Amino acid sequence: QSALTQPASVSGSPGQSITISCSGTSSDIGSYNLVSWYQQHPGKAPKLLIYEVNKWPSGVSDRFSGSKSGDTASLTISGLQTEDEADYYCCSYAGRTTFVLFGGGTKLTVL
Amino acid sequence: QVQLVQSGAEVKKPGASVKVSCKASGHTFTPYGFSWVRQAPGQGLEWMGWINAHNGDTNYAQNFQGRVTMTTDTSTSTAYMELRSLRSDDTAVYYCARFRITMAYIDVWGTGTTVTVSS
Repeated sequence: QSALTQPASVSGSPGQSITISCSGTSSDIGSYNLVSWYQQHPGKAPKLLIYEVNKWPSGVSDRFSGSKSGDTASLTISGLQTEDEADYYCCSYAGRTTFVLFGGGTKLTVL
Repeated sequence: QVQLVQSGAEVKKPGASVKVSCKASGHTFTPYGFSWVRQAPGQGLEWMGWINAHNGDTNYAQNFQGRVTMTTDTSTSTAYMELRSLRSDDTAVYYCARFRITMAYIDVWGTGTTVTVSS
């Protein structure tokens, strides 16, 4: 199975909202509510932002929200802050054989 | 707090093997899975597979089957990943991570280990 498809880059201004899409297929995103999102700053390990499509782990700001429609998942960041500038990766369960697929990553620039 | 501390950077020659360790602290080891994810320079995240620390079950990504072995030592709360027949394109940062198997997400990431493959 191929990786999930994300836009290479998105940008926004402080205070604005942006949405990052993550396109999959009926074999992964479309079949399971097991989508997670990760934030990675340069030189750092990734950090969990969202799991099971729209759930927040403890300590993550509710400015980050997740959703899913059909074969596409989305991450919305509201009230953009300069520290949100990072790479974002989506991830989905893809069945017992493949198990997990990552998206290619999206670089967020806060102008 | 929960921490996953990985072993130090490695430099290997093509054809060699590398074994990376990941020591967990701050939580009970066995109820969880541990996954391995790598990131080549300037590239995205690549899933390698997971191991169930409770029963040793493993699930390896197709790209790595036959070349990777994941193990755990419950007595020391340490997970290991061995990659064999190294090639130059295996040069990457390798992350271990605590993996919620049934919900298929990673909730804690390790510190990362840089593996460089060069002749």
